Amino acid sequence: DAKTTQPNSMESNEEEPVHLPCNHSTISGTDYIHWYRQLPSQGPEYVIHGLTSNVNNRMASLAIAEDRKSSTLILHRATLRDAAVYYCILKTSYDKVIFGPGTSLSVIP
Amino acid sequence: DGGITQSPKYLFRKEGQNVTLSCEQNLNHDAMYWYRQDPGQGLRLIYYSQIVNDFQKGDIAEGYSVSREKKESFPLTVTSAQKNPTAFYLCASSWGLDSNQPQHFGDGTRLSIL
Repeated sequence: DAKTTQPNSMESNEEEPVHLPCNHSTISGTDYIHWYRQLPSQGPEYVIHGLTSNVNNRMASLAIAEDRKSSTLILHRATLRDAAVYYCILKTSYDKVIFGPGTSLSVIP
Repeated sequence: DGGITQSPKYLFRKEGQNVTLSCEQNLNHDAMYWYRQDPGQGLRLIYYSQIVNDFQKGDIAEGYSVSREKKESFPLTVTSAQKNPTAFYLCASSWGLDSNQPQHFGDGTRLSIL
């Protein structure tokens, strides 16, 4: 079973910020939080990952709760190209990764 | 550019036939993975390999086999023992199995039964 829970779907208007939530209440101290996204008929694309501190890169920001039991992927200005399924996963060293069904993001022009 | 190449993009299998899906990477990654994705579902791990000549079963290895003779190649064979092989197959690689190493994915092979 997936170790994270995400909403099945979300909608956003184009050029507005999007906050994609993820709950991971059973996270352990050494688990990293990774986010990927997948466009139809393509392989998943790495977005961002973090351990404790908030992280920023050119694609998105990752906000991690102080107790690490939840996190939020932030897309600062949604574009039509951001419409995809977003996966939040926990990665433990030397253990397999479990991808749940993710959140399907729709972007409305 | 570095990346992962999966071939073919589409593949058809006849009943009782084994088929092999190719996965090649030029990222110099040590670890490689095979996943299966069914419509509307997440990814399920079939096999993974941390290093050449070594591989481990994932959650759904029955009916599949792999080899890792070269660092850059990790082919997956779907055998006739896999009774429901129709799915989207994804190959991935990473520097290692460490928890801070992201995975890089190919564009997948879609397998169907004739």
